[in-house]
Amino acid sequence: ILNVEQSPQSLHVQEGDSTNFTCSFPSSNFYALHWYRWETAKSPEALFVMTLNGDEKKKGRISATLNTKEGYSYLYIKGSQPEDSATYLCALGDTGRRALTFGSGTRLQVQP
Amino acid sequence: NAGVTQTPKFRVLKTGQSMTLLCAQDMNHEYMYWYRQDPGMGLRLIHYSVGEGTTAKGEVPDGYNVSRLKKQNFLLGLESAAPSQTSVYFCASSPAQQGRGYTFGSGTRLTVV
Repeated sequence: ILNVEQSPQSLHVQEGDSTNFTCSFPSSNFYALHWYRWETAKSPEALFVMTLNGDEKKKGRISATLNTKEGYSYLYIKGSQPEDSATYLCALGDTGRRALTFGSGTRLQVQP
Repeated sequence: NAGVTQTPKFRVLKTGQSMTLLCAQDMNHEYMYWYRQDPGMGLRLIHYSVGEGTTAKGEVPDGYNVSRLKKQNFLLGLESAAPSQTSVYFCASSPAQQGRGYTFGSGTRLTVV
């Protein structure tokens, strides 16, 4: 069983703050790293899929980077808004199994 | 534009009863998955399928069976429900090619009493 760790477990920020989360994973057999946004009472929605070392992805105020050699990915949110409040999941795809292993998530709450 | 549909959305079972959760996708995705979500534990993979007629075990397969007789449907069965199977179950699908994220269903909340 792969160990995908996310930190911090939860985060409270004020509107306008910028924030970032970390996803750590074993770098052997890597093939993809996914980020999902999961709002309460909804389903997880895909944000980014990254496959190459050094990948950087951006969607609006949210961006992500990937380092496969050292086994980590960062998710950044610039100028957090209350609507960014959600749990952010990262998930690892490895070459041994064609299914993702999810971390337990970082729960973000943005105070107006 | 349905995406992934799970039925039922809620269910209460008595210990020892059986039931089947249905997942249907209309995106022609090759891969389908069943995860369970428990507090503090994130999403854990139960079973998955990489194509019609094929299934494989995930991290927590015990007590569950699955079938993928048609490409668009992935069924999760509980033969004899136990309280430990109280959870929220999510189905997801994805295309075979890399670089595409999963599409999730809205979840099934199952309580076993």
